[in-house]
Amino acid sequence: AQKVTQAQTEISVVEKEDVTLDCVYETRDTTYYLFWYKQPPSGELVFLIRRNSFDEQNEISGRYSWNFQKSTSSFNFTITASQVVDSAVYFCALSGNNFNKFYFGSGTKLNVKP
Amino acid sequence: NAGVTQTPKFRVLKTGQSMTLLCAQDMNHEYMYWYRQDPGMGLRLIHYSVGEGTTAKGEVPDGYNVSRLKKQNFLLGLESAAPSQTSVYFCASSYQGARAGELFFGEGSRLTVL
Repeated sequence: AQKVTQAQTEISVVEKEDVTLDCVYETRDTTYYLFWYKQPPSGELVFLIRRNSFDEQNEISGRYSWNFQKSTSSFNFTITASQVVDSAVYFCALSGNNFNKFYFGSGTKLNVKP
Repeated sequence: NAGVTQTPKFRVLKTGQSMTLLCAQDMNHEYMYWYRQDPGMGLRLIHYSVGEGTTAKGEVPDGYNVSRLKKQNFLLGLESAAPSQTSVYFCASSYQGARAGELFFGEGSRLTVL
C-alpha cells in the first residue's frame, strides 16, 4: 500500500526562524518518486521538488532544502529564515514509476508571523 | 499562458442534480487528473487519464464519471450529486519524460451540495 503521513497539522513560527516539515512514506515499490507541493492562501497548488528513490542526495534551492532518507522512509522539507510569504499549506506526495497515481499527505499548514 | 483552467470556479447544487466540471490545459500534456480536497485529508485521486480516449479510476471514483474526448480537455461529471461530494475539486496535468510527475494544477472548483 502507498501512504504518505504528515504528522504536523499546523506549525507557527516567527519570521526568520527555521522550520522543518516532516514527511514519512510507505511503499513496496523499489522505484518511486517523492514530491513537495505548496498551496498558498490563493488555493492553487505549486510544484516545488521531485526526487526519485535512487537519489538520496540532499537538495538545496535558495532558502529551501530537502532531506531524503530511505532508511527512515522520510523526505523532510526545511525552510531557512522563514518569511511571511512562506505561509501556506505544504503537501508531500508519493508516486510510482508510471506516474499514474499520486498519493498525497494530509498537508501541513505553516503560519509565518511577522 | 493559461496553463490549466477549470470551470466553473464555484457551484451550488441540490441533492440529486447533475453537473460537469471542465478542465482544459494548453500544454499538450498527456496525463490529466481529477482530485478532491477535503479538510484534513489532503488530495485524493478521483480519476485520471494517460491520453486521449483513455480514463481510469483513482482512489475515490464512486459517484463520478469522466471523459477525455480531446487531449486538452478532461471532464468530471456528477450524475446525481450527494452532500458527501461537497468539496474542492482540482484538475491537474503532467508532462512525461524528464519532467514526469510535475503536476500543474488548476485554481480549483468549489462545489457545495445541499
